[in-house]
Amino acid sequence: DVKVTQSSRYLVKRTGEKVFLECVQDMDHENMFWYRQDPGLGLRLIYFSYDVKMKEKGDIPEGYSVSREKKERFSLILESASTNQTSMYLCASSSPAATNEKLFFGSGTQLSVL
Amino acid sequence: AQRVTQPEKLLSVFKGAPVELKCNYSYSGSPELFWYVQYSRQRLQLLLRHISRESIKGFTADLNKGETSFHLKKPFAQEEDSAMYYCALKVTSGSRLTFGEGTQLTVNP
Repeated sequence: DVKVTQSSRYLVKRTGEKVFLECVQDMDHENMFWYRQDPGLGLRLIYFSYDVKMKEKGDIPEGYSVSREKKERFSLILESASTNQTSMYLCASSSPAATNEKLFFGSGTQLSVL
Repeated sequence: AQRVTQPEKLLSVFKGAPVELKCNYSYSGSPELFWYVQYSRQRLQLLLRHISRESIKGFTADLNKGETSFHLKKPFAQEEDSAMYYCALKVTSGSRLTFGEGTQLTVNP
């Protein structure tokens, strides 16, 4: 079964800090995604990547950047964390070659910015 | 731009009662619709997709292009159906999904 692993389950950071959220998948998936999950707002796409060194902005990229140096790893970077970035962050991966191209999600990182 | 709307944030039913979770979308092309589910302390996972026209855990969903809806239905709800449900839309030109706001379903004993 596909495993999408997010490095931290809980993170507490201070305003202005640079924050790295790491995600690794073990099924050689081309596509990787970062979403944030907020009550009443659902999942909103921050960034995604279709291949190594490729990245595309999602719906709410402001304040975030990403890095995909290796196929299995997709990192989300908060250059200067702010309190409104307190949220649950979900990483996901998929393969366009799969018949249903479903997303496989990680267990999430709950980030609190104080 | 595409959009998915789930009008009910919370839905509560009794065990054995029918349940319908509403989903409406806006997209001018040919969409693919999905339902994802997140049980307590578990990962978000795919429940079903409209192309498969399948029933999963007793749930079905029919794509109604005229009403731009993809409501999720189950005739007899079970307590283990309690979860957060998200409707999602994929435009055929790419792999990204647009999710709705989610509906928290509670099935009471």
